[in-house]
Amino acid sequence: NAGVTQTPKFQVLKTGQSMTLQCAQDMNHEYMSWYRQDPGMGLRLIHYSVGAGITDQGEVPNGYNVSRSTTEDFPLRLLLAAPSQTSVYFCASKLQGGSVGELFFGEGSRLTVL
Amino acid sequence: DAKTTQPNSMESNEEEPVHLPCNHSTISGTDYIHWYRQLPSQGPEYVIHGLTSNVNNRMASLAIAEDRKSSTLILHRATLRDAAVYYCILNQGGSEKLVFGKGTKLTVNP
Repeated sequence: NAGVTQTPKFQVLKTGQSMTLQCAQDMNHEYMSWYRQDPGMGLRLIHYSVGAGITDQGEVPNGYNVSRSTTEDFPLRLLLAAPSQTSVYFCASKLQGGSVGELFFGEGSRLTVL
Repeated sequence: DAKTTQPNSMESNEEEPVHLPCNHSTISGTDYIHWYRQLPSQGPEYVIHGLTSNVNNRMASLAIAEDRKSSTLILHRATLRDAAVYYCILNQGGSEKLVFGKGTKLTVNP
């Protein structure tokens, strides 16, 4: 049971480039989310999804797009990367939206934008 | 969302109990208290959560004050592996948004 899998683990981009961070879970969780973590800071919610076809914005959604075409996958897209998006990104999932259950996190994707 | 206040850092010795405090004076009746921890270079992991009553699991205990304005995460015997940043989070029942603060960095001395 792999849990939450993020790829790539490391990525370097140039300003203005685009890329997609992949997140997949094999626990049949309805709820998935993306957080970013900057040095010395807690995690900030970017976008989340309570099920296939449903997405919503978190605290810091600007510069990021998401879609949820399947239950298993929740990719995060950066269309025009900026140095301010240099961060560590975490994907997380839980059984259902609206529940207080345990949130499972991936190992993170470290992104550097030059 | 109601806010939490935690000390920036704490130290403990191996095999001793650790009490990590969290103040949440503006907690509402439907806010659950969650604790997560983040080991170095890893994603956060769930530790425990509760609403009103004290809770125990294999990792830790959660003691909630009677007025619910504060809580304490208790690690009964700290190990070196418990060195991490511990986050105390309030989650309104049904809310989709867990808001992480800066947490408490726990150092465990051998």
